[in-house]
Amino acid sequence: GESVGLHLPTLSVQEGDNSIINCAYSNSASDYFIWYKQESGKGPQFIIDIRSNMDKRQGQRVTVLLNKTVKHLSLQIAATQPGDSAVYFCAENTGRRALTFGSGTRLQVQP
Amino acid sequence: DSGVTQTPKHLITATGQRVTLRCSPRSGDLSVYWYQQSLDQGLQFLIQYYNGEERAKGNILERFSAQQFPDLHSELNLSSLELGDSALYFCASSLAGEETQYFGPGTRLLVL
Repeated sequence: GESVGLHLPTLSVQEGDNSIINCAYSNSASDYFIWYKQESGKGPQFIIDIRSNMDKRQGQRVTVLLNKTVKHLSLQIAATQPGDSAVYFCAENTGRRALTFGSGTRLQVQP
Repeated sequence: DSGVTQTPKHLITATGQRVTLRCSPRSGDLSVYWYQQSLDQGLQFLIQYYNGEERAKGNILERFSAQQFPDLHSELNLSSLELGDSALYFCASSLAGEETQYFGPGTRLLVL
């Protein structure tokens, strides 16, 4: 499997600001993408997903954008709150197999 | 709460020992996945079961094995443990034909 690094990039934002977390994926054949939030000591929690036939999907305070041309995924969180502080992972899936996870981004929300 | 349960929450053991981790999927989910999360490797897929049958294998060592029982719970067996096996082990489950995986709270394994 792919190796991911120890050194998580960190995004620090002020409470109330919008956050954008980016992810580059590797497999152009991937047809399903998902964002997870992982708080310290807990398992990854589903946030939002998107299929490759879409380029945007919105949830409650979250939006996922998919750019297949450059194999890029982003997660936008509106009005970021202290409870949003966590590590965020993107994951890709090709043909209903296991997920391949990105290395994660740590989001720190400053009050 | 995802509906996926894992036991035990914490496990401390010695090198050379064998442990069993248990997972109960969400009600109705037929697929179970096991992942390992360590500091230097992120979340790595180990193995998938679907309705009792092995479906896919990832980076699972030969010292590790798993099975899924008729009641759909799954167990991950880790043997001849090494220091490097210390990690968080997560189980996830999904509905048949669905790709969204829901994760349990994990088992933290520490090998001394």
